[in-house]
Amino acid sequence: EAGVTQFPSHSVIEKGQTVTLRCDPISGHDNLYWYRRVMGKEIKFLLHFVKESKQDESGMPNNRFLAERTGGTYSTLKVQPAELEDSGVYFCASSQIRANTEAFFGQGTRLTVV
Amino acid sequence: AQSVTQLGSHVSVSEGALVLLRCNYSSSVPPYLFWYVQYPNQGLQLLLKYTSAATLVKGINGFEAEFKKSETSFHLTKPSAHMSDAAEYFCAVSQRGGSARQLTFGSGTQLTVLP
Repeated sequence: EAGVTQFPSHSVIEKGQTVTLRCDPISGHDNLYWYRRVMGKEIKFLLHFVKESKQDESGMPNNRFLAERTGGTYSTLKVQPAELEDSGVYFCASSQIRANTEAFFGQGTRLTVV
Repeated sequence: AQSVTQLGSHVSVSEGALVLLRCNYSSSVPPYLFWYVQYPNQGLQLLLKYTSAATLVKGINGFEAEFKKSETSFHLTKPSAHMSDAAEYFCAVSQRGGSARQLTFGSGTQLTVLP
């Protein structure tokens, strides 16, 4: 069974450009989470989807970030326009809907804004 | 509200020595507690989790952690370090109940194993 897959693994963009990160969760996992780790700091929650619906987006930094999960399958996280402080590693995780299940993480996308 | 503090951003041990990575948590409700490991160029992998059963939790690769409510701690240990244990380790907490589990992570501890 394939794990959580994230694309791209690395992205270097200039300030002001747009970047779209993609996450393919494990098949059948209705919960999908995005997290971010800024250099040297803790991993912070961004948002949570249940199927195609945003359950909690309290961690989204500002309106330059837009997350979607069309059809309840894969998810995208768009940053537009990117700023220097957006640099970091973006992790996606997925889990089954029932209680006490493990969240499986992808390998992350390292975003560098120059 | 919940938070996690990992004491020591970098820990070095000799191969064969005891590994002890410290984690203290704060939670307004009974927590679930986790340890994740990240090897270079890989994603986060669950090492072990505490979900209110036994307070001593055994995980993969010989790691274990003990939940101590009185000390609000969940320290990770391994009796004998191996070179392959070199990685970054994250302690995390979430609230009990339900399927929506938002994890709150500590800042991570980089473990170096010396030959």
